[in-house]
Amino acid sequence: KQEVTQIPAALSVPEGENLVLNCSFTDSAIYNLQWFRQDPGKGLTSLLLIQSSQREQTSGRLNASLDKSSGRSTLYIAASQPGDSATYLCAVSAGQNFVFGPGTRLSVLP
Amino acid sequence: DVKVTQSSRYLVKRTGEKVFLECVQDMDHENMFWYRQDPGLGLRLIYFSYDVKMKEKGDIPEGYSVSREKKERFSLILESASTNQTSMYLCASRDPGLAGVETQYFGPGTRLLVL
Repeated sequence: KQEVTQIPAALSVPEGENLVLNCSFTDSAIYNLQWFRQDPGKGLTSLLLIQSSQREQTSGRLNASLDKSSGRSTLYIAASQPGDSATYLCAVSAGQNFVFGPGTRLSVLP
Repeated sequence: DVKVTQSSRYLVKRTGEKVFLECVQDMDHENMFWYRQDPGLGLRLIYFSYDVKMKEKGDIPEGYSVSREKKERFSLILESASTNQTSMYLCASRDPGLAGVETQYFGPGTRLLVL
């Protein structure tokens, strides 16, 4: 059964720092991996989706990488801002469903 | 933009009540999902549907049922609410996208409190 973990569980950084969030999954037979952002009390917003055949995807200050063979993905956030404060979740798709990680709670301090 | 809406942002119900949570999407997606999200447990799939009148159990279907009478609407039903069903409920809709790249879109969530 696919399991997804995320490290760290929480992270606090000063504004302007570059940071990396990590996602690991146990079964490398995935179709794609998606990173989401969740603000407190709200739903999830899709940030980036990486197909299993791709190595990375970029959107603005965000860059996500995927290493299927090692079961890892990273989300790199450049020049962090207080508005980036949220919980970041990764999810892997293998068939009908997505399996979600528990999330990393990010606080960017002004 | 894809829009997924949920009928209520907050609900307070009593133990034993029947509860309906409604989800509507406006992009003609075939696949729709209901999750619950709890601290420390993350998102867990309750039920999903890949077509009208079709439904499949997810990881934690006990105590829940669903209804998909129209393509755009997917309802989650708590037949007899219990306190352990207090949670954040999230609905999602899936777009097959281009070349089979599937993206999930989420609603804003319903925070349910069962007293």
